[in-house]
Amino acid sequence: QKEVEQNSGPLSVPEGAIASLNCTYSDRGSQSFFWYRQYSGKSPELIMFIYSNGDKEDGRFTAQLNKASQYVSLLIRDSQPSDSATYLCAVNRGRGGTSYGKLTFGQGTILTVHP
Amino acid sequence: DTAVSQTPKYLVTQMGNDKSIKCEQNLGHDTMYWYKQDSKKFLKIMFSYNNKELIINETVPNRFSPKSPDKAHLNLHINSLELGDSAVYFCASSPLARETQYFGPGTRLLVL
Repeated sequence: QKEVEQNSGPLSVPEGAIASLNCTYSDRGSQSFFWYRQYSGKSPELIMFIYSNGDKEDGRFTAQLNKASQYVSLLIRDSQPSDSATYLCAVNRGRGGTSYGKLTFGQGTILTVHP
Repeated sequence: DTAVSQTPKYLVTQMGNDKSIKCEQNLGHDTMYWYKQDSKKFLKIMFSYNNKELIINETVPNRFSPKSPDKAHLNLHINSLELGDSAVYFCASSPLARETQYFGPGTRLLVL
């Protein structure tokens, strides 16, 4: 079983729709969770992080965490063609000063938003 | 103004050669990382340094040797390059107290 699993896609949604990206992880001791966006040929760029169960919203993005189910998701509302990219889920066992940030990444989900 | 920079951006070399990649961050972060992203886009940590001390050393061939002369710099030296070393190598940094990592632009290494 992979430590962090994502559906590789591609996920195709029409412009203006909600894109839903999912991620599961195997280590129950995981404490912090990140979503990165990576455009083709570019470096990963942080979109959101979440530490606590529930939802966290930032603009058009909402991260959802369910530690009991070992599940984290990212919702993108009002999807735009510029959102087309690979979305990487990353998980860290530690939090704050207790960890030096060993991130384990999923394989990424390719999102395509078509006009 | 680049926060995390890497040189070179592209590196094409022959099998068996030795090469180095350099990374610098001007964010004042204490922790720096090297990641390898393979052709399937899977991103995997290789090393991490905190304030010049090696703290993460994943299962990486010992042909790869990181070096941190100060907390703003982390270099990666690769000996006896092999075809399988072809990948994009990303440097990243983070503050000590948080795990949010900021990535450099990457170095695209092609071994022929």
